[in-house]
Amino acid sequence: NAGVTQTPKFQVLKTGQSMTLQCAQDMNHEYMSWYRQDPGMGLRLIHYSVGAGITDQGEVPNGYNVSRSTTEDFPLRLLSAAPSQTSVYFCASSLGGRGSSYEQYFGPGTRLTVT
Amino acid sequence: LAKTTQPISMDSYEGQEVNITCSHNNIATNDYITWYQQFPSQGPRFIIQGYKTKVTNEVASLFIPADRKSSTLSLPRVSLSDTAVYYCLVGAYLFSGGYNKLIFGAGTRLAVHP
Repeated sequence: NAGVTQTPKFQVLKTGQSMTLQCAQDMNHEYMSWYRQDPGMGLRLIHYSVGAGITDQGEVPNGYNVSRSTTEDFPLRLLSAAPSQTSVYFCASSLGGRGSSYEQYFGPGTRLTVT
Repeated sequence: LAKTTQPISMDSYEGQEVNITCSHNNIATNDYITWYQQFPSQGPRFIIQGYKTKVTNEVASLFIPADRKSSTLSLPRVSLSDTAVYYCLVGAYLFSGGYNKLIFGAGTRLAVHP
């Protein structure tokens, strides 16, 4: 299993540009999440999904959109990039559900710089 | 959502046992306690999970007192490779199948010295 994969690894955008960060998992996990991590800080939840077709907002959803058309994929779209969105973005997946382990599997991250 | 409080940083030496305590005074009945480890430029990695008393796996132990208002992650005989940030999370999956948004705090930066 490849686990959780993210592309691209690095990206530089100009203010106002849009782009999509890709995330895929091959573990048949129902739950997927997107986090951002600013330098020296903990992770903050952007959006999450509890299954295909179901998404919801996390702590810091503004400026980002998500959709979940398949169990495997959970792309994150930046609508109009701003310098405040410069961060490292992590995608994670987990089995979820009552009584399940709370273990989340994280991808390697995408380092985004907005100039 | 249960808020967690951890020390910002800790220092230790190789071979010592390290105990990192997390405070979660408003933990709910259904909440579990989970610890993650993060190395620079990597995503967090699950270490251990528990609900009450003591849980042990091959890398760590987790001690949870009866009132569950705190928990202690214990790392036996640390090495230089244990230098990382450690996060304590508290939360639960909802009975309806929903998702309790597990929140990462700032974590504890552990530095292990030779």
